[in-house]
Amino acid sequence: AQSVTQLGSHVSVSEGALVLLRCNYSSSVPPYLFWYVQYPNQGLQLLLKYTSAATLVKGINGFEAEFKKSETSFHLTKPSAHMSDAAEYFCAVSVRSGGYQKVTFGTGTKLQVIP
Amino acid sequence: DVKVTQSSRYLVKRTGEKVFLECVQDMDHENMFWYRQDPGLGLRLIYFSYDVKMKEKGDIPEGYSVSREKKERFSLILESASTNQTSMYLCASSLGASSSGNTIYFGEGSWLTVV
Repeated sequence: AQSVTQLGSHVSVSEGALVLLRCNYSSSVPPYLFWYVQYPNQGLQLLLKYTSAATLVKGINGFEAEFKKSETSFHLTKPSAHMSDAAEYFCAVSVRSGGYQKVTFGTGTKLQVIP
Repeated sequence: DVKVTQSSRYLVKRTGEKVFLECVQDMDHENMFWYRQDPGLGLRLIYFSYDVKMKEKGDIPEGYSVSREKKERFSLILESASTNQTSMYLCASSLGASSSGNTIYFGEGSWLTVV
């Protein structure tokens, strides 16, 4: 079985500061990993995904994440936070289980950006 | 762009009512999912379907059923709504089971309040 742990349900950063959202996963098979963003009252949008092609993955809106197998981590970063980055972020792990795609989401991290 | 449409954004229903949540996707995706989102719990999978008329239980299927009569449409049914089913419901879709790296595309969500 796979699982995802997101450290910190709420993270606050100042505008222009580094954003770091942490995600650790466990999986018995090589996983695919995703970061999604959810703005208030909306569904989830894909930020980026890791599919084993490269360990450093670049996504939309200046976000990137690095897959570290030894640490079972897939942390999300952005060099300089913008007010529009305020949202909830979800890490997810996807594996093939019983012939189906099974996706497990973390509990989410709400990012607050302080002007 | 993939579009997943949930027909009802906000619903208020009475305890004991039968509730239908409808979802349509326009990209010929084989997989469709229903998730429930609650604060602090992230997204939890209720049911998923990998083909027409096929369904599989997710992590929290109790109190719910689903229907998939056409490839593009996946309905979530609450046979007898209860107050503990007050939540945000998210429909999603992805390409077939050939890869667990397929992106999951989400609808905007349906806010259900049971009174």
